[in-house]
Amino acid sequence: DVKVTQSSRYLVKRTGEKVFLECVQDMDHENMFWYRQDPGLGLRLIYFSYDVKMKEKGDIPEGYSVSREKKERFSLILESASTNQTSMYLCASSSSGTEEAFFGQGTRLTVV
Amino acid sequence: AQSVSQHNHHVILSEAASLELGCNYSYGGTVNLFWYVQYPGQHLQLLLKYFSGDPLVKGIKGFEAEFIKSKFSFNLRKPSVQWSDTAEYFCAVTVNTGGFKTIFGAGTRLFVKA
Repeated sequence: DVKVTQSSRYLVKRTGEKVFLECVQDMDHENMFWYRQDPGLGLRLIYFSYDVKMKEKGDIPEGYSVSREKKERFSLILESASTNQTSMYLCASSSSGTEEAFFGQGTRLTVV
Repeated sequence: AQSVSQHNHHVILSEAASLELGCNYSYGGTVNLFWYVQYPGQHLQLLLKYFSGDPLVKGIKGFEAEFIKSKFSFNLRKPSVQWSDTAEYFCAVTVNTGGFKTIFGAGTRLFVKA
């Protein structure tokens, strides 16, 4: 079974903090993605990566950055957390750009 | 810009009722189409997918979807729902815009009354 593991299920951070969300996949997938999920808006793509050290902006990259130093690990960074970044964050991986994505359990981030 | 529209945000059905969830996308090129499901407290998982061939695709748990290219639609159906189908359903489309990108719809929350 493909496993995508996100380091935290729940996080509470203060406004202005730098926040790291970690994601690890164990299937040697080339592609990894970060989405945020908000009610009524579905999943919106923040950043994705097709290879180590490679990253591409998604639809809502503002306020976020990413790091992919190793193939299995893809980190999402909130440089200075704000309350409008309170959301559910989902990491996913896939073997190719057109194949199905496998999702982690999600990290519910609350910024106070 | 590419987008995916799901027609209903909330659907409430009784057990044994038939289900159809609408999905339309806006993109003129080749697409791969997916339906994902998220059961309460669980992670998103694939329900079914369409890449090419027979436009009627069968997935897990009795779900099926039909790709109608002329209508840019990929509607999800199930003849008889069960209480355990209560979940949120997401339509997704992968497009190639110089790199592959998957776009999700807003989701449809289905509640099935026992």
